[in-house]
Amino acid sequence: AQRVTQPEKLLSVFKGAPVELKCNYSYSGSPELFWYVQYSRQRLQLLLRHISRESIKGFTADLNKGETSFHLKKPFAQEEDSAMYYCALKRDSTLGRLYFGRGTQLTVWP
Amino acid sequence: NAGVTQTPKFQVLKTGQSMTLQCAQDMNHEYMSWYRQDPGMGLRLIHYSVGAGITDQGEVPNGYNVSRSTTEDFPLRLLSAAPSQTSVYFCASLGLGQGLTEAFFGQGTRLTVV
Repeated sequence: AQRVTQPEKLLSVFKGAPVELKCNYSYSGSPELFWYVQYSRQRLQLLLRHISRESIKGFTADLNKGETSFHLKKPFAQEEDSAMYYCALKRDSTLGRLYFGRGTQLTVWP
Repeated sequence: NAGVTQTPKFQVLKTGQSMTLQCAQDMNHEYMSWYRQDPGMGLRLIHYSVGAGITDQGEVPNGYNVSRSTTEDFPLRLLSAAPSQTSVYFCASLGLGQGLTEAFFGQGTRLTVV
């Protein structure tokens, strides 16, 4: 079975501080991992996928297979980063189903 | 390119009423799904479909029906609304196959059952 765990429901930081949103997963195969973001009153949208190894809006996430983690990091948080962040797992590229964590609400204070 | 379109955006139902939430996508995606979003519960999968004529249950299917007669449309039917179905509903679509990994979401339907 697969599971995605986001241990923090709420996370608050001040502008300019580093931020790390934690995500751990359990799956015996080789999953694809994603971070989705939902800004206030907007639809969910893809932020990052692990296979791209990219930085989007200053965020990065590295897949650590040994620790089964995919933490989202940003060195200097901005107020516009305030949003709900969901970590998601996909078991196989041929399958569409995404397994979501419960989400972390990030608030960046001025 | 509209992406994923959901209607309505808001709906209030009385207990026992039925209704259909509409979802349409114009990206020719094989995979479509419905989630409900509740505080502290994240996104929970209700039903999904991997192509026209094929549907399956997700984590929380009770009280909901779906059908997929075309690639574009994936309506969600509430058979007899209950207050426990008060939630925000999201439809999502995804292309299947190598390199097609991004899910596209609708803007959501905020449903209140009184």
